Amino acid sequence: GQNIDQPTEMTATEGAIVQINCTYQTSGFNGLFWYQQHAGEAPTFLSYNVLDGLEEKGRFSSFLSRSKGYSYLLLKELQMKDSASYLCAVRDGGSARQLTFGSGTQLTVLP
Amino acid sequence: GAGVSQSPSNKVTEKGKDVELRCDPISGHTALYWYRQSLGQGLEFLIYFQGNSAPDKSGLPSDRFSAERTGGSVSTLTIQRTQQEDSAVYLCASSPKALGGYTFGSGTRLTVV
Repeated sequence: GQNIDQPTEMTATEGAIVQINCTYQTSGFNGLFWYQQHAGEAPTFLSYNVLDGLEEKGRFSSFLSRSKGYSYLLLKELQMKDSASYLCAVRDGGSARQLTFGSGTQLTVLP
Repeated sequence: GAGVSQSPSNKVTEKGKDVELRCDPISGHTALYWYRQSLGQGLEFLIYFQGNSAPDKSGLPSDRFSAERTGGSVSTLTIQRTQQEDSAVYLCASSPKALGGYTFGSGTRLTVV
């Protein structure tokens, strides 16, 4: 089985930096994904990590430590439009191809 | 098509009725997934199709749920004898290969009254 934990809610100020953490326990590991989901909309892909280290893509970066079962999503220069739910998802190392999602972190960006 | 298309976008049905939800994946995407998302909850995996292989049905919550994928493209998720706890947003996603990232459709919001 898999267990994925992330904070339920976070609040930050426009222009600031916020880090959303995700810890996971899986029987194997074949990649970690971050998705953004605005209210009433479909999740959209943000980042993918399969090796340890930091992946940077514009204002968003994602970090992975496989030995610690830990990832974070870093959002810089926050904008109001970044208010959304951020979903951490893991693909385990077995034959399964589906992703297991955490419950999501609802980020609110304040002016 | 340009994206994953799902229909209907909203469905209200009476308890005990059957419903069919449709998903048109991105052309050429061989993998197709169904998830559901209840209010305030994470995405729950339901079923996975990959090419012509037998589907992975391990996430289906009961035998009232079934899905098929015709011609390796369009998929239909059927819920028989709907119950109020089936109320959720049903999301379909596709990817170009088994280990690829997903592109999600906008979902079908199902309400059972």
